[in-house]
Amino acid sequence: DAGITQSPRHKVTETGTPVTLRCHQTENHRYMYWYRQDPGHGLRLIHYSYGVKDTDKGEVSDGYSVSRSKTEDFLLTLESATSSQTSVYFCAIRPGTGGADTQYFGPGTRLTVL
Amino acid sequence: AQSVTQLDSQVPVFEEAPVELRCNYSSSVSVYLFWYVQYPNQGLQLLLKYLSGSTLVKGINGFEAEFNKSQTSFHLRKPSVHISDTAEYFCAVSGPSHNAGGTSYGKLTFGQGTILTVHP
Repeated sequence: DAGITQSPRHKVTETGTPVTLRCHQTENHRYMYWYRQDPGHGLRLIHYSYGVKDTDKGEVSDGYSVSRSKTEDFLLTLESATSSQTSVYFCAIRPGTGGADTQYFGPGTRLTVL
Repeated sequence: AQSVTQLDSQVPVFEEAPVELRCNYSSSVSVYLFWYVQYPNQGLQLLLKYLSGSTLVKGINGFEAEFNKSQTSFHLRKPSVHISDTAEYFCAVSGPSHNAGGTSYGKLTFGQGTILTVHP
């Protein structure tokens, strides 16, 4: 158990509404990531963080923003949800600072945008 | 830039048969390679990873993978599968991008996934 929780675990929302997903870790690791999983695409990186207030974009960042005001929390916000953002969202943490270090994944949040 | 291609989207096999899940990658620099497994309605769990050295890597649950640099492949194998191995399997590469201080960002690029279904 890597000590990662995601909330909510399931959410249904309507197009145009803002949505915030939370990732919480208990170990105070520096690196945190947000991915989305879609059939036929595997997991794709949305945003990542390498410290408090230090974040950067991944390959599919359009329509998403993130914040990290505390080491333990990494928030993903959809400012105005669209149906194309219906997906399963995974948070990951990475202990260590080397490229070979394993990422550990949370249980996921299933988001449906109607 | 780097990419990962998993050559089979679905692989059905019978219990106790051998299985190979194929993964090819593309990168202009050295990378680290990973296999993750996702059981239904769960997050991803690391099966094994290749860092350097021996090209044959052993992981959990009897899985192993062989790194082939000339063919840019990292195929996953198991000599005898069980019903409990039914899951989706993802191959991934870790990019070499680093910050100014030399710390890796560790961003993963995933393949499309292979659904392994083991039949009795």
